[in-house]
Amino acid sequence: SALTQPASVSGSPGQSITISCTGTSSDVGASNFVSWYQQHPGKAPKLIIYDVIVRPSGVSNRFSGSKSGNTASLAISGLQAEDEADYYCGSYTISSTIFGGGTKLTVL
Amino acid sequence: QLAESGGGLVQPGGSLRLSCAVSGITFNKYAMSWVRQAPGKGLEWVSGISGSGDNTYYADSVKGRFTISRDNSKNTLSLQMYSLRAEDTAIYYCAKCSDSGRLLQDPWGQGTLVTVSS
Repeated sequence: SALTQPASVSGSPGQSITISCTGTSSDVGASNFVSWYQQHPGKAPKLIIYDVIVRPSGVSNRFSGSKSGNTASLAISGLQAEDEADYYCGSYTISSTIFGGGTKLTVL
Repeated sequence: QLAESGGGLVQPGGSLRLSCAVSGITFNKYAMSWVRQAPGKGLEWVSGISGSGDNTYYADSVKGRFTISRDNSKNTLSLQMYSLRAEDTAIYYCAKCSDSGRLLQDPWGQGTLVTVSS
């Protein structure tokens, strides 16, 4: 079943926020293969973190990932208006991907 | 680099074939995935295929109804969908996956909308 994310989070410009992603010992807790995607309205998802902590080239260092046990987290520092989007976590293997339900980030 | 096509309106119980044209990469090096997103909902992984095409994987929700395939000579990924249901209505994205074989989707195409309705 889907990984568990909060439905929404919010923060003011310049602040930091964290989005959690809770799975089980069979998915998130089983490996370091956790990803995070950013999706703006009407656009395709964009990969911003993979292998728990790795940022693809071109992704701002304001985005960082971590994991403890069965819960992964995405932290965004120095919030900007352009960060307002939906964020999805994922746990991937050779044979499947499980996504979280998504979190809507509102920049106040 | 990835361009989906083939979406449209189909009646419940009908069939549809989606295609994804891929350019700019050595296509047969990479696993590929289909991921869908129902209107206003989250992401759902649908199916994956290894670089060679020898191994295919499906979500339980589509197993037995959908078939993923690839033509490495034409750099094309396909998804044949049968026995379509209203709950299959979604934007369908194709995505390149990692060369390790893991189904880490990056990048994604722009998506094609499938609507199942009478």
